[in-house]
Amino acid sequence: AQTVTQSQPEMSVQEAETVTLSCTYDTSESDYYLFWYKQPPSRQMILVIRQEAYKQQNATENRFSVNFQKAAKSFSLKISDSQLGDAAMYFCAYRSKGSQGNLIFGKGTKLSVKP
Amino acid sequence: DAGVIQSPRHEVTEMGQEVTLRCKPISGHDYLFWYRQTMMRGLELLIYFNNNVPIDDSGMPEDRFSAKMPNASFSTLKIQPSEPRDSAVYFCASSVVGQPQHFGDGTRLSIL
Repeated sequence: AQTVTQSQPEMSVQEAETVTLSCTYDTSESDYYLFWYKQPPSRQMILVIRQEAYKQQNATENRFSVNFQKAAKSFSLKISDSQLGDAAMYFCAYRSKGSQGNLIFGKGTKLSVKP
Repeated sequence: DAGVIQSPRHEVTEMGQEVTLRCKPISGHDYLFWYRQTMMRGLELLIYFNNNVPIDDSGMPEDRFSAKMPNASFSTLKIQPSEPRDSAVYFCASSVVGQPQHFGDGTRLSIL
């Protein structure tokens, strides 16, 4: 069974600085999707970024980018120029390519942004 | 475009009562998912549907939980009878094949 581990329960960053959130996963599959979701205090689950395992190029969405290391089964999220609105829980998630079903989530990392 | 719509946003009820959570997926999405979020267990998939048919309900905790999707634009998650340990945030999400899931705002359920 696949698992997703986020080893940092909490992180803090100064406004305008850069922070990296860690995520590792375990799978025997060769093709899959990885996601980062953001959950602010409002409780919404907002998709931040998506990576397809067969694509070697790291995904980027504006200030958000990932460092995808397939061999190491690592999928970290880098937030550049952090803003107060980035404060939230961040969840890493895995989904098998052949399945439209189960998103497997990590436990989350709570990010605080200091002004 | 309207996103996934869940109702109610908050529900407080007494143990033993029936609870019904509702979800309207994004129009055109043929997959619908129900998740539960708790501090202890994080986010867990309860059940998902494809074209209104339940595909995987292995995450449904027990017989007290049931989910239906009578048509492409509506789904319910019912708990009967409810227990305090069912207190959680319940999310509905929808998607089309190959695309990420879009989540609703969730229903915070408190069972007293």
